[in-house]
Amino acid sequence: NAGVTQTPKFRILKIGQSMTLQCTQDMNHNYMYWYRQDPGMGLKLIYYSVGAGITDKGEVPNGYNVSRSTTEDFPLRLELAAPSQTSVYFCASIPWGAAPRETQYFGPGTRLLVL
Amino acid sequence: LAKTTQPISMDSYEGQEVNITCSHNNIATNDYITWYQQFPSQGPRFIIQGYKTKVTNEVASLFIPADRKSSTLSLPRVSLSDTAVYYCLVGARVDNYGQNFVFGPGTRLSVLP
Repeated sequence: NAGVTQTPKFRILKIGQSMTLQCTQDMNHNYMYWYRQDPGMGLKLIYYSVGAGITDKGEVPNGYNVSRSTTEDFPLRLELAAPSQTSVYFCASIPWGAAPRETQYFGPGTRLLVL
Repeated sequence: LAKTTQPISMDSYEGQEVNITCSHNNIATNDYITWYQQFPSQGPRFIIQGYKTKVTNEVASLFIPADRKSSTLSLPRVSLSDTAVYYCLVGARVDNYGQNFVFGPGTRLSVLP
């Protein structure tokens, strides 16, 4: 298993541009998450999904959109990039019905710079 | 969601034991306590998890008192490679209504030679 993969690894955007951060997991996990991590800070939850077709907002959803058409993929969309969205983005997953002792599996992250 | 409080940073020397304490006063009955480690430019990775008393694995020990309002991650004989940020999470039960993990700022551990 490749686990959780994210693309691209790094991207520079101009203000107002749009892009999609890709996240794929091959572990058949139902729950998937998008976090952002600003320099020197902890992770903040942007959106999460409990399964295909079901998504919900996290702590900081403004400026982002998500979709979940398959179990494997959970893309994050930035419509109008702003400098405040400069951050490192992590995708994570966890299996459905997991006992609380299940842990999250994280991807390697996407570093985004908005200029 | 249970909020957690940890020291922002800690320094230690190689070979010492390091104890990082996390406070979670409003922990719920179904909540487990999980610790993650994060190296620069990497995603967090699981270290240890527990519900009560003591848990030990090949990497660390986790001590949880009877009231479960705090927990202590213990790293025995740290090395330079243990320099990282350590996060304490208190997780709600995973069910059909979803799950929501809250990461605090974590504790930045610096191990010195």
